[in-house]
Amino acid sequence: GAVVSQHPSRVICKSGTSVKIECRSLDFQATTMFWYRQFPKQSLMLMATSNEGSKATYEQGVEKDKFLINHASLTLSTLTVTSAHPEDSSFYICSASGAVQDNEQFFGPGTRLTVL
Amino acid sequence: AQSVTQLGSHVSVSEGALVLLRCNYSSSVPPYLFWYVQYPNQGLQLLLKYTTGATLVKGINGFEAEFKKSETSFHLTKPSAHMSDAAEYFCAVTSTGNQFYFGTGTSLTVIP
Repeated sequence: GAVVSQHPSRVICKSGTSVKIECRSLDFQATTMFWYRQFPKQSLMLMATSNEGSKATYEQGVEKDKFLINHASLTLSTLTVTSAHPEDSSFYICSASGAVQDNEQFFGPGTRLTVL
Repeated sequence: AQSVTQLGSHVSVSEGALVLLRCNYSSSVPPYLFWYVQYPNQGLQLLLKYTTGATLVKGINGFEAEFKKSETSFHLTKPSAHMSDAAEYFCAVTSTGNQFYFGTGTSLTVIP
């Protein structure tokens, strides 16, 4: 149980376009979802926390107009990178937690974004 | 505030040798502690976790970790390294489940 999926696993786009990444909890209701960014050989950096039906809470330094997060249901959150630029290229990982998950987050497999 | 320190960004061991990856944390409240493994271009896979109860926690793939409150440590060990253990390992701490604090990671290399 407690499986989280992400789609797509890899995406390549041109500079200036927008990219949407989906994060789904497959077998539990995710009251909270998290979006992380990971640069090569570095740790995970929390970008934002979203609760179902509420606006996301962004970490300091993360542009909310650049990284749009929607958590419209208990099983789906989306991250849209708007007007992507090469510096947005990174590995994006989502995680999810639910009311019965005992303070644990379950991580998706990640999405590799490359902006040309 | 909470934080995690992983000593040694790179650890190399011979196949069959003991694996020891260090993790120290700081927390003003009782922590929940986790070890995750990450293979290239993949997400994080939970190895083991400590929430309450027994301080020696056994995880998948033969790994275990011991929560030592007096030392504020949660070191990860495996008696005998296997080639497939080569990966990046992250220690994490939380008190609420909402805010996870990750260490900077330790890259484990297994030498044949």
